[in-house]
Amino acid sequence: DGGITQSPKYLFRKEGQNVTLSCEQNLNHDAMYWYRQDPGQGLRLIYYSQIVNDFQKGDIAEGYSVSREKKESFPLTVTSAQKNPTAFYLCASTATGSGYTFGSGTRLTVV
Amino acid sequence: GEDVEQSLFLSVREGDSSVINCTYTDSSSTYLYWYKQEPGAGLQLLTYIFSNMDMKQDQRLTVLLNKKDKHLSLRIADTQTGDSAIYFCAEPMDSNYQLIWGAGTKLIIKP
Repeated sequence: DGGITQSPKYLFRKEGQNVTLSCEQNLNHDAMYWYRQDPGQGLRLIYYSQIVNDFQKGDIAEGYSVSREKKESFPLTVTSAQKNPTAFYLCASTATGSGYTFGSGTRLTVV
Repeated sequence: GEDVEQSLFLSVREGDSSVINCTYTDSSSTYLYWYKQEPGAGLQLLTYIFSNMDMKQDQRLTVLLNKKDKHLSLRIADTQTGDSAIYFCAEPMDSNYQLIWGAGTKLIIKP
């Protein structure tokens, strides 16, 4: 079955560490997105990519980085520059004119 | 600018109907979407409506679209405890790849 997979489900980061969240899709979707969700809040766009080897900053890109070397994969790195990284991270993908398909999310906690 | 607005909470009694409202700003949107997010999970596409429709019904769900007022609503008949979730309204941006998200309405079911 086609879908979008995020891993890990839970991730713990020490102060000063970089961590990478994985997002893989087998839907042949061109566009992929990373969102951050804080408790009781909506979705905030971190980065998005519409084609391979190209990506754009969203509303809250500072302290994050991404790559899009393959159509299927769009990993997100939370760098040590992100001072408040504890949140729920959601990856999504879409084809033109269709709705988004979301992964099940990664919960990142700073310890 | 483009914005999608929703109230943050809705509380209903089990068995009653729930009506979740949304206002949007781009009258040229081709589709409008409703997504459901259960606790600790990603978002799932619940339903969508084409902009040339006034109403769409799917089992217990009814979507009403008032283009003149740029108002979208989601009615859930016979609300059950399994309907407890956050419901997001979304409309496409001009690029047709990106969606603009409402803040989400948390539906609380009272016994």
